[in-house]
Amino acid sequence: DAKTTQPNSMESNEEEPVHLPCNHSTISGTDYIHWYRQLPSQGPEYVIHGLTSNVNNRMASLAIAEDRKSSTLILHRATLRDAAVYYCILEKVGSPGAQKLVFGQGTRLTINP
Amino acid sequence: DTEVTQTPKHLVMGMTNKKSLKCEQHMGHRAMYWYKQKAKKPPELMFVYSYEKLSINESVPSRFSPECPNSSLLNLHLHALQPEDSALYLCASSHRSGALDTQYFGPGTRLTVL
Repeated sequence: DAKTTQPNSMESNEEEPVHLPCNHSTISGTDYIHWYRQLPSQGPEYVIHGLTSNVNNRMASLAIAEDRKSSTLILHRATLRDAAVYYCILEKVGSPGAQKLVFGQGTRLTINP
Repeated sequence: DTEVTQTPKHLVMGMTNKKSLKCEQHMGHRAMYWYKQKAKKPPELMFVYSYEKLSINESVPSRFSPECPNSSLLNLHLHALQPEDSALYLCASSHRSGALDTQYFGPGTRLTVL
């Protein structure tokens, strides 16, 4: 299975944009890129997913490199509530059976007031 | 309602005890999951139920026994656990456990085995 690599930690300031990188150099054509985040003392929550094109939703944007070997989660204006561990996950689509999300080590994001 | 509830929030048990963790969702989801998360580590998948049938068991020791009595409820029965089984146990649900399903997680049960 293709793996993801993320920085262990990042720090940013409140109300500034945050760019969280993820490397997935062995990604295959049928792998979707998912991002989940886990706030302190909570279970993970879905953030966004994409395949090739950049994606936007109310929480974040996902920028995917043209060769798909890396992606970046963008929080446009970070708040203190965005402090969490952010996980970049690859899902192979098209395989039979139930969905398996394999979480990598994630990036711990700290937001400074 | 996009909530997955888990009870109890905290559980302390001895190695000879039998206990159960409970997970419930009322979103009409037909897939439910158990994950184990050790401190400062990512969640690791344990079991997946799809339409009340066990579809994935990630080689979990038999001292963990899952049960899905109906589409809204998922239990994890615990027996003869070891101290290294102490962790946060997360439950999740999704529409149908197919590709690109969004998983909704509960807050977890923090288990301590003495």
